[in-house]
Amino acid sequence: GENVEQHPSTLSVQEGDSAVIKCTYSDSASNYFPWYKQELGKRPQLIIDIRSNVGEKKDQRIAVTLNKTAKHFSLHITETQPEDSAVYFCAASRANFGNEKLTFGTGTRLTIIP
Amino acid sequence: GAVVSQHPSWVICKSGTSVKIECRSLDFQATTMFWYRQFPKQSLMLMATSNEGSKATYEQGVEKDKFLINHASLTLSTLTVTSAHPEDSSFYICSAKPGTSGRDEQFFGPGTRLTVL
Repeated sequence: GENVEQHPSTLSVQEGDSAVIKCTYSDSASNYFPWYKQELGKRPQLIIDIRSNVGEKKDQRIAVTLNKTAKHFSLHITETQPEDSAVYFCAASRANFGNEKLTFGTGTRLTIIP
Repeated sequence: GAVVSQHPSWVICKSGTSVKIECRSLDFQATTMFWYRQFPKQSLMLMATSNEGSKATYEQGVEKDKFLINHASLTLSTLTVTSAHPEDSSFYICSAKPGTSGRDEQFFGPGTRLTVL
């Protein structure tokens, strides 16, 4: 089955700086890679996703890059703000293959230092 | 749109009792729903995949007789934790995937915090 590794487990950055979280996956058939933000005791919220036919996607301060050959993808948050502090999870799945379950990474606790 | 609700939001029960958690898609039909368990400071671990009108598919290591899943309609799936024990205390989260083709994303419920005394 799919295995998703995520690094780092914790990350502290100064407000205004950029944060980068990296994930690798093992299943070359995975083609859908979402990123979720989870605040304490709350549901995961989708912040951005990318499909395997695209190498990069950006939404305001958030961007995701995908390298299919190396099987890794990264989340980039620029101009970080205190409200970006949360736990971030990457995930991978074989969307539309009839096996659409998400395999999550282990999570990154991001702390923005004011 | 794409709202998923869960009920109850939290529950405390005695060891040996059963607890039912409901997951509803409020504004879309969900052909597939997923049940996750999340222990403190850990990731989401998929327990089972629930397809409307058919038996759930359980992940390896998840006891299907202990965690009963029913997906009786396109908007409702239930998870029943039978004979709950303290080690079952966790945050249980469901997600739902719209039946509309081309939509890969899953929408998560707010979670149910189960505490077994």
